[in-house]
Amino acid sequence: SQTIHQWPATLVQPVGSPLSLECTVEGTSNPNLYWYRQAAGRGLQLLFYSVGIGQISSEVPQNLSASRPQDRQFILSSKKLLLSDSGFYLCAWSVPRSGGAVTTQYFGPGTRLTVL
Amino acid sequence: AQSVTQPDIHITVSEGASLELRCNYSYGATPYLFWYVQSPGQGLQLLLKYFSGDTLVQGIKGFEAEFKRSQSSFNLRKPSVHWSDAAEYFCAVATYSGNTPLVFGKGTRLSVIA
Repeated sequence: SQTIHQWPATLVQPVGSPLSLECTVEGTSNPNLYWYRQAAGRGLQLLFYSVGIGQISSEVPQNLSASRPQDRQFILSSKKLLLSDSGFYLCAWSVPRSGGAVTTQYFGPGTRLTVL
Repeated sequence: AQSVTQPDIHITVSEGASLELRCNYSYGATPYLFWYVQSPGQGLQLLLKYFSGDTLVQGIKGFEAEFKRSQSSFNLRKPSVHWSDAAEYFCAVATYSGNTPLVFGKGTRLSVIA
């Protein structure tokens, strides 16, 4: 069966410090991968998604970036954190489909980031 | 572009009472619809999904949802709510293009009182 991991579970960082959040998926190959952010009371905001190694789509301009160094690894980074980067970060995966077939997204446990 | 509206930000129900959470979507073609639940500090868990076929869909934890094309709705229901159902609920829609992300509503927070 497939599992998705996120690391770390919680993180407290000062403003201006760098960030690296990791997401890994087990039990599947070439998954589609997604990064979302939840700010308090603001629902889910899609940040990035990837359909393959080195293929990253950015949905929201900001000081965050994403990378996919390996097939089942998705990294969310920042060089300098802002107060507004605080929130709950969720990684998700889905089975890639061809021909337009719809697939389901499955979510990881999330990382709580507090920027002080 | 497709969108999802969850009109109720917060709902409070008594334990044992019935529940209906509303979801309306905007999409020109046949939608593919999902309901997810999120407990505090946790990730999202899939409750149920509708792709085609029977418009009444059964999910986990005793939840069901009904797709009504004429009303562009996909409301989530449960006949008897338990205290453990207190959580945030998200409705989502997918286009017929499987590799693009789902579009989520802003969520409905459910509180359950004794």
